[in-house]
Amino acid sequence: ILNVEQSPQSLHVQEGDSTNFTCSFPSSNFYALHWYRWETAKSPEALFVMTLNGDEKKKGRISATLNTKEGYSYLYIKGSQPEDSATYLCAFLSGYSTLTFGKGTMLLVSP
Amino acid sequence: DAGVIQSPRHEVTEMGQEVTLRCKPISGHNSLFWYRQTMMRGLELLIYFNNNVPIDDSGMPEDRFSAKMPNASFSTLKIQPSEPRDSAVYFCASSSAGSSGGALLEQYFGPGTRLTVT
Repeated sequence: ILNVEQSPQSLHVQEGDSTNFTCSFPSSNFYALHWYRWETAKSPEALFVMTLNGDEKKKGRISATLNTKEGYSYLYIKGSQPEDSATYLCAFLSGYSTLTFGKGTMLLVSP
Repeated sequence: DAGVIQSPRHEVTEMGQEVTLRCKPISGHNSLFWYRQTMMRGLELLIYFNNNVPIDDSGMPEDRFSAKMPNASFSTLKIQPSEPRDSAVYFCASSSAGSSGGALLEQYFGPGTRLTVT
C-alpha cells in the first residue's frame, strides 16, 4: 500500500489570501501525479496531471509544481475566492500500483 | 457530452441482498475505473478496465464484489451479498488514456451512487 499524504488536512482562509498545500508521495518509480478539486455534493474534477520532474501547471489562479526526486507536489491558489472552497485531492501513480489518492486538503474561503 | 453516467444515484437495500451499480463512460474513453469513498478510507480504487479488459482488481475488497465491462459503453459493479460495511459512495470514472496506461491522463468522474445497506 503506497503512502500518499496531504497537508494540511484542512485550511480556512479569507477571501483574497493566497494559499498552498502539499502532496507527498513515494519518490521511486514515479509515473504521474494527479490533482483533483472536489466540491461538496459533487464529484471530483480534474485540475492537473503532471508527469515530469520540475513540471509546473497553471489553470487560472491555481497552479501546481512537481518534484519527483523528493516526492512532493505543491498546489497554489492565488487570491482565494469563496468558490474555491472544496477538497483538493492528489493521486499518485507508480509502476508498482494503480492510482492511489491522498485524503485531501479541505479548503474553506470566507468572504 | 453527457459526461459519465451512473445509476442509481441512491440505493438503500437490506443486508444480504444483491446490489448492482451501473456506469456509462464518456463516449470514446477506453479506460474505466470504479472507486469507493468512505469517511475512514477516503477514495479507494476498486478496479479498472482498459479496452473493456480488467487490468487491476487488487482493490476489490473480497469475493462478494465483482465488476464487468461487456462493452465499451457499459460497466457494472455487483455486490452479492451486501453487508452494512459496504455502505459508501461508489464512483465510476473514465479516461482516454489509450493502451499504454489507464491512469496517465485525467479522469472524469460520474456523480456517484450512494449505497446504504441496512
